[in-house]
Amino acid sequence: EPEVTQTPSHQVTQMGQEVILRCVPISNHLYFYWYRQILGQKVEFLVSFYNNEISEKSEIFDDQFSVERPDGSNFTLKIRSTKLEDSAMYFCASRALAEAKNIQYFGAGTRLSVL
Amino acid sequence: GENVEQHPSTLSVQEGDSAVIKCTYSDSASNYFPWYKQELGKGPQLIIDIRSNVGEKKDQRIAVTLNKTAKHFSLHITETQPEDSAVYFCAASNGNYGGSQGNLIFGKGTKLSVKP
Repeated sequence: EPEVTQTPSHQVTQMGQEVILRCVPISNHLYFYWYRQILGQKVEFLVSFYNNEISEKSEIFDDQFSVERPDGSNFTLKIRSTKLEDSAMYFCASRALAEAKNIQYFGAGTRLSVL
Repeated sequence: GENVEQHPSTLSVQEGDSAVIKCTYSDSASNYFPWYKQELGKGPQLIIDIRSNVGEKKDQRIAVTLNKTAKHFSLHITETQPEDSAVYFCAASNGNYGGSQGNLIFGKGTKLSVKP
């Protein structure tokens, strides 16, 4: 069964450093999402991406965050200058265009630890 | 914006018993309600979903009910098994076909433990 893959599984970085989290969505999907989950809290929406541009973003997704689809397969989330509070599990999700329902498929996540 | 509340936060049942998890939502425009199961070290996996034009949906031991008037929906697991132990998340969105991008708003999750 096709799946969303995310790398790395765990990223450790120093505060103030830039990190790039990578995702390979399911190949025929056209909507892409990033969510994050701080330990013990709910999964929170960050951003959605369609047709090579951001469709929606939450208040969390400030100027320190950016997303990119650099080629036909990868979808990346960049945090320019990490803060301690960016430590969380980051999930990528994707869905097909021709869906009567909003079925989103999630990757296993990248655990980001900011020291 | 949408807010989803989920209860209980933890639930412990004996194998074979039923488990019920409840969620409420605030935005009447929400029309799609999925449930996700998250096992340790894995991403959320969709287990069942329901649209607002349906009141109930069942898939083997799992069922979901929706009360649009009261803005709440519930997950029912019957004949629970140890492998049902996981964290369960409810979510809501207004993702219409051809419409909005449908970002999911999640509840806080319920940690279900099924004791053999």
